[in-house]
Amino acid sequence: DVKVTQSSRYLVKRTGEKVFLECVQDMDHENMFWYRQDPGLGLRLIYFSYDVKMKEKGDIPEGYSVSREKKERFSLILESASTNQTSMYLCASRKQSSYEQYFGPGTRLTVT
Amino acid sequence: AQKITQTQPGMFVQEKEAVTLDCTYDTSDPSYGLFWYKQPSSGEMIFLIYQGSYDQQNATEGRYSLNFQKARKSANLVISASQLGDSAMYFCAMRFIGSGGYNKLIFGAGTRLAVHP
Repeated sequence: DVKVTQSSRYLVKRTGEKVFLECVQDMDHENMFWYRQDPGLGLRLIYFSYDVKMKEKGDIPEGYSVSREKKERFSLILESASTNQTSMYLCASRKQSSYEQYFGPGTRLTVT
Repeated sequence: AQKITQTQPGMFVQEKEAVTLDCTYDTSDPSYGLFWYKQPSSGEMIFLIYQGSYDQQNATEGRYSLNFQKARKSANLVISASQLGDSAMYFCAMRFIGSGGYNKLIFGAGTRLAVHP
Protein backbone atom coordinates (compact mmCIF):
# COMPACT_ATOMS: atom_id res chain seq x y z
CA ASP A 1 0.00 0.00 0.00
CA VAL A 2 1.13 3.52 -0.77
CA LYS A 3 1.73 5.50 2.33
CA VAL A 4 1.92 9.26 2.56
CA THR A 5 2.67 10.63 5.99
CA GLN A 6 2.63 14.17 7.31
CA SER A 7 4.68 15.30 10.28
CA SER A 8 1.81 16.63 12.39
CA ARG A 9 -1.96 16.20 12.50
CA TYR A 10 -2.46 19.44 14.43
CA LEU A 11 -0.22 22.47 14.73
CA VAL A 12 -0.66 25.82 16.46
CA LYS A 13 1.71 28.66 15.58
CA ARG A 14 1.92 32.37 16.25
CA THR A 15 1.73 35.10 13.63
CA GLY A 16 5.17 35.77 12.16
CA GLU A 17 6.64 32.37 12.98
CA LYS A 18 8.36 30.28 10.33
CA VAL A 19 6.46 27.03 9.87
CA PHE A 20 7.61 23.78 8.29
CA LEU A 21 5.15 21.11 7.17
CA GLU A 22 6.78 17.84 6.19
CA CYS A 23 5.47 15.14 3.88
CA VAL A 24 7.03 11.74 3.21
CA GLN A 25 5.95 9.05 0.74
CA ASP A 26 7.29 5.53 0.57
CA MET A 27 6.43 4.45 -2.97
CA ASP A 28 9.15 6.15 -4.99
CA HIS A 29 6.64 8.51 -6.60
CA GLU A 30 8.10 11.21 -8.81
CA ASN A 31 5.39 13.84 -8.29
CA MET A 32 4.37 15.44 -5.00
CA PHE A 33 1.79 18.11 -4.22
CA TRP A 34 0.73 20.48 -1.46
CA TYR A 35 -2.90 21.59 -1.19
CA ARG A 36 -4.84 23.65 1.29
CA GLN A 37 -8.46 22.86 2.05
CA ASP A 38 -10.94 25.47 3.19
CA PRO A 39 -14.72 25.10 3.70
CA GLY A 40 -16.67 25.89 0.57
CA LEU A 41 -13.51 26.10 -1.56
CA GLY A 42 -12.46 22.47 -1.84
CA LEU A 43 -8.76 21.79 -2.28
CA ARG A 44 -6.50 24.34 -3.91
CA LEU A 45 -3.01 23.58 -5.19
CA ILE A 46 -0.21 25.54 -3.55
CA TYR A 47 2.91 24.00 -5.10
CA PHE A 48 3.93 20.78 -6.74
CA SER A 49 7.16 19.04 -7.56
CA TYR A 50 7.64 16.69 -10.49
CA ASP A 51 11.13 15.59 -9.46
CA VAL A 52 13.87 16.14 -6.91
CA LYS A 53 14.85 19.82 -6.62
CA MET A 54 12.11 20.73 -9.11
CA LYS A 55 9.07 22.79 -8.16
CA GLU A 56 6.19 24.52 -9.85
CA LYS A 57 3.74 27.09 -8.51
CA GLY A 58 0.16 26.03 -8.16
CA ASP A 59 -2.88 28.27 -7.99
CA ILE A 60 -2.19 29.94 -4.62
CA PRO A 61 1.61 30.03 -4.00
CA GLU A 62 1.74 33.45 -2.33
CA GLY A 63 3.12 33.28 1.20
CA TYR A 64 4.49 29.75 0.74
CA SER A 65 7.67 28.10 -0.48
CA VAL A 66 8.66 24.46 -0.87
CA SER A 67 11.70 22.26 -0.76
CA ARG A 68 12.37 18.86 -2.28
CA GLU A 69 15.90 17.70 -1.58
CA LYS A 70 15.06 13.98 -1.60
CA LYS A 71 12.59 12.09 -3.73
CA GLU A 72 10.51 10.86 -0.80
CA ARG A 73 10.21 14.17 1.05
CA PHE A 74 8.39 17.39 0.15
CA SER A 75 8.33 20.29 2.60
CA LEU A 76 5.98 23.25 2.68
CA ILE A 77 7.34 26.39 4.31
CA LEU A 78 5.43 29.37 5.61
CA GLU A 79 8.12 32.03 5.89
CA SER A 80 6.07 34.28 8.17
CA ALA A 81 2.79 32.70 9.20
CA SER A 82 -0.34 34.82 9.07
CA THR A 83 -3.84 34.20 10.41
CA ASN A 84 -5.22 33.77 6.88
CA GLN A 85 -3.01 30.71 6.52
CA THR A 86 -5.06 28.89 9.15
CA SER A 87 -6.27 25.89 7.18
CA MET A 88 -6.05 22.16 6.57
CA TYR A 89 -2.96 21.25 4.54
CA LEU A 90 -2.91 18.07 2.50
CA CYS A 91 0.08 16.47 0.83
CA ALA A 92 -0.24 14.04 -2.08
CA SER A 93 2.03 11.99 -4.29
CA ARG A 94 1.67 10.37 -7.67
CA LYS A 95 3.63 8.11 -9.91
CA GLN A 96 4.53 9.96 -13.11
CA SER A 97 2.90 7.28 -15.29
CA SER A 98 -0.39 7.27 -13.38
CA TYR A 99 -3.20 9.76 -12.83
CA GLU A 100 -4.19 8.83 -9.29
CA GLN A 101 -2.92 10.95 -6.41
CA TYR A 102 -2.46 9.43 -2.95
CA PHE A 103 -3.09 11.73 -0.04
CA GLY A 104 -1.67 12.05 3.45
CA PRO A 105 -3.89 12.46 6.53
CA GLY A 106 -3.61 16.25 6.55
CA THR A 107 -2.24 18.84 8.98
CA ARG A 108 -4.67 21.23 10.58
CA LEU A 109 -2.71 24.44 11.11
CA THR A 110 -3.96 27.24 13.33
CA VAL A 111 -2.14 30.56 13.29
CA THR A 112 -3.00 32.83 16.23
CA ALA B 1 -10.20 27.87 -17.88
CA GLN B 2 -11.09 24.67 -16.10
CA LYS B 3 -13.85 24.59 -13.53
CA ILE B 4 -15.56 22.02 -11.33
CA THR B 5 -18.94 22.70 -9.74
CA GLN B 6 -20.67 20.73 -6.99
CA THR B 7 -23.99 22.42 -6.34
CA GLN B 8 -25.08 20.35 -3.34
CA PRO B 9 -23.39 21.50 -0.11
CA GLY B 10 -25.17 18.77 1.81
CA MET B 11 -27.24 15.67 1.10
CA PHE B 12 -28.86 13.03 3.22
CA VAL B 13 -30.02 9.55 2.36
CA GLN B 14 -31.68 6.67 4.16
CA GLU B 15 -29.53 3.63 4.78
CA LYS B 16 -29.73 1.03 1.97
CA GLU B 17 -31.05 3.55 -0.57
CA ALA B 18 -29.16 4.91 -3.56
CA VAL B 19 -27.93 8.50 -3.75
CA THR B 20 -26.56 10.67 -6.58
CA LEU B 21 -24.00 13.40 -5.95
CA ASP B 22 -23.82 15.99 -8.71
CA CYS B 23 -20.72 17.28 -10.45
CA THR B 24 -20.43 19.43 -13.54
CA TYR B 25 -17.22 20.55 -15.17
CA ASP B 26 -15.96 22.92 -17.77
CA THR B 27 -12.94 22.51 -19.99
CA SER B 28 -12.05 23.01 -23.63
CA ASP B 29 -9.37 20.31 -23.56
CA PRO B 30 -10.29 17.09 -25.39
CA SER B 31 -8.27 14.96 -22.95
CA TYR B 32 -9.18 15.08 -19.28
CA GLY B 33 -10.26 12.82 -16.44
CA LEU B 34 -12.71 12.94 -13.59
CA PHE B 35 -12.20 11.62 -10.08
CA TRP B 36 -14.32 11.21 -7.01
CA TYR B 37 -12.70 11.23 -3.57
CA LYS B 38 -14.24 10.54 -0.17
CA GLN B 39 -13.06 12.38 2.93
CA PRO B 40 -14.27 10.94 6.25
CA SER B 41 -14.10 13.00 9.44
CA SER B 42 -10.58 11.62 10.04
CA GLY B 43 -9.38 13.82 7.17
CA GLU B 44 -7.69 11.50 4.69
CA MET B 45 -8.78 11.64 1.05
CA ILE B 46 -9.82 8.23 -0.27
CA PHE B 47 -9.89 7.60 -4.02
CA LEU B 48 -13.20 6.13 -5.16
CA ILE B 49 -13.46 6.12 -8.93
CA TYR B 50 -11.95 7.55 -12.14
CA GLN B 51 -13.35 8.23 -15.62
CA GLY B 52 -11.23 9.27 -18.58
CA SER B 53 -12.73 11.55 -21.21
CA TYR B 54 -12.23 8.94 -23.93
CA ASP B 55 -13.64 6.04 -21.92
CA GLN B 56 -16.72 4.71 -23.67
CA GLN B 57 -18.32 3.05 -20.68
CA ASN B 58 -19.22 4.54 -17.33
CA ALA B 59 -16.75 3.61 -14.61
CA THR B 60 -17.90 1.35 -11.78
CA GLU B 61 -16.17 0.27 -8.56
CA GLY B 62 -18.28 -1.90 -6.30
CA ARG B 63 -21.17 0.23 -5.00
CA TYR B 64 -19.83 3.33 -6.76
CA SER B 65 -20.59 4.24 -10.34
CA LEU B 66 -19.86 7.39 -12.29
CA ASN B 67 -22.66 8.63 -14.53
CA PHE B 68 -20.58 10.33 -17.23
CA GLN B 69 -22.55 12.51 -19.65
CA LYS B 70 -19.95 14.13 -21.84
CA ALA B 71 -22.29 16.37 -23.86
CA ARG B 72 -23.74 17.79 -20.65
CA LYS B 73 -20.30 17.95 -19.00
CA SER B 74 -21.50 16.12 -15.96
CA ALA B 75 -19.89 13.34 -13.92
CA ASN B 76 -22.29 12.41 -11.15
CA LEU B 77 -21.38 9.84 -8.51
CA VAL B 78 -23.99 7.21 -7.74
CA ILE B 79 -23.69 5.26 -4.49
CA SER B 80 -25.96 2.25 -4.35
CA ALA B 81 -27.20 0.64 -1.14
CA SER B 82 -25.89 3.40 1.17
CA GLN B 83 -24.22 2.40 4.41
CA LEU B 84 -23.69 4.39 7.60
CA GLY B 85 -19.97 4.39 6.84
CA ASP B 86 -20.63 6.35 3.65
CA SER B 87 -21.27 9.48 5.72
CA ALA B 88 -18.43 11.79 4.68
CA MET B 89 -17.43 14.70 2.47
CA TYR B 90 -17.25 13.86 -1.24
CA PHE B 91 -15.11 15.75 -3.73
CA CYS B 92 -15.27 15.73 -7.49
CA ALA B 93 -11.98 16.56 -9.22
CA MET B 94 -10.79 16.98 -12.79
CA ARG B 95 -7.39 16.11 -14.22
CA PHE B 96 -6.10 18.36 -16.97
CA ILE B 97 -2.85 19.42 -18.56
CA GLY B 98 -1.82 22.72 -17.00
CA SER B 99 0.62 25.30 -18.23
CA GLY B 100 4.05 23.74 -18.38
CA GLY B 101 2.57 20.47 -19.64
CA TYR B 102 2.00 18.87 -16.22
CA ASN B 103 -1.06 16.93 -15.11
CA LYS B 104 -2.93 18.89 -12.45
CA LEU B 105 -6.12 18.38 -10.47
CA ILE B 106 -8.80 20.92 -9.63
CA PHE B 107 -11.43 20.15 -7.03
CA GLY B 108 -15.03 21.09 -6.46
CA ALA B 109 -16.21 22.57 -3.16
CA GLY B 110 -17.48 19.20 -1.95
CA THR B 111 -20.78 17.66 -0.86
CA ARG B 112 -21.34 16.47 2.69
CA LEU B 113 -23.35 13.25 2.70
CA ALA B 114 -25.18 12.04 5.78
CA VAL B 115 -26.58 8.50 5.82
CA HIS B 116 -29.46 8.04 8.26
CA PRO B 117 -30.36 4.66 9.80
